[in-house]
Amino acid sequence: GAGVSQSPSNKVTEKGKDVELRCDPISGHTALYWYRQRLGQGLEFLIYFQGNSAPDKSGLPSDRFSAERTGESVSTLTIQRTQQEDSAVYLCASSYTPFGTEAFFGQGTRLTVV
Amino acid sequence: AQTVTQSQPEMSVQEAETVTLSCTYDTSESDYYLFWYKQPPSRQMILVIRQEAYKQQNATENRFSVNFQKAAKSFSLKISDSQLGDAAMYFCAYRSAYGGSQGNLIFGKGTKLSVKP
Repeated sequence: GAGVSQSPSNKVTEKGKDVELRCDPISGHTALYWYRQRLGQGLEFLIYFQGNSAPDKSGLPSDRFSAERTGESVSTLTIQRTQQEDSAVYLCASSYTPFGTEAFFGQGTRLTVV
Repeated sequence: AQTVTQSQPEMSVQEAETVTLSCTYDTSESDYYLFWYKQPPSRQMILVIRQEAYKQQNATENRFSVNFQKAAKSFSLKISDSQLGDAAMYFCAYRSAYGGSQGNLIFGKGTKLSVKP
């Protein structure tokens, strides 16, 4: 596609439910990132995928969070048993190579846990 | 590990005036890239300007320019002739030319810029 696409744009869920967020990177981009952005805050790194290498999961805040990516295509971020503190905007970014070039961002998914 | 510091949580500028946003970083690497991203209320992160560390010339994009001081590890953004549409969060970012954790893409905490009419 022309840009990084994320869906849904907004998601309201009840506490305790599982949610799945989707990211479609730009075609050909090998690197994919997930970030969390709480209200008025900066970007908090969650996970990084590079091609078929093992992902860097060092930013995932708990074992309720997981992410998958098939090859160099779509990625899904899953949050199990959501809590109110999970409410945030989840941003996805991709880049053509892992180094040197800028990352292109999607518009994010605003998750609200009620 | 690399770090990026934005010491100004909020800044304000009068329309048509000039404002400078500060960014410092820490790295032991010699080859890397620096970026400024803009995030308006729409949430979309937009690349404003990029700088390659091996280039001494400061990058410029229309009203946006940087002051890159490699020895001081400083990378400030100057916005000239500020417009209402410049109001946004601005993030400074570092990207290594080598491998590393987190894809070696490191962000500062951001500066919220307000533009007064």
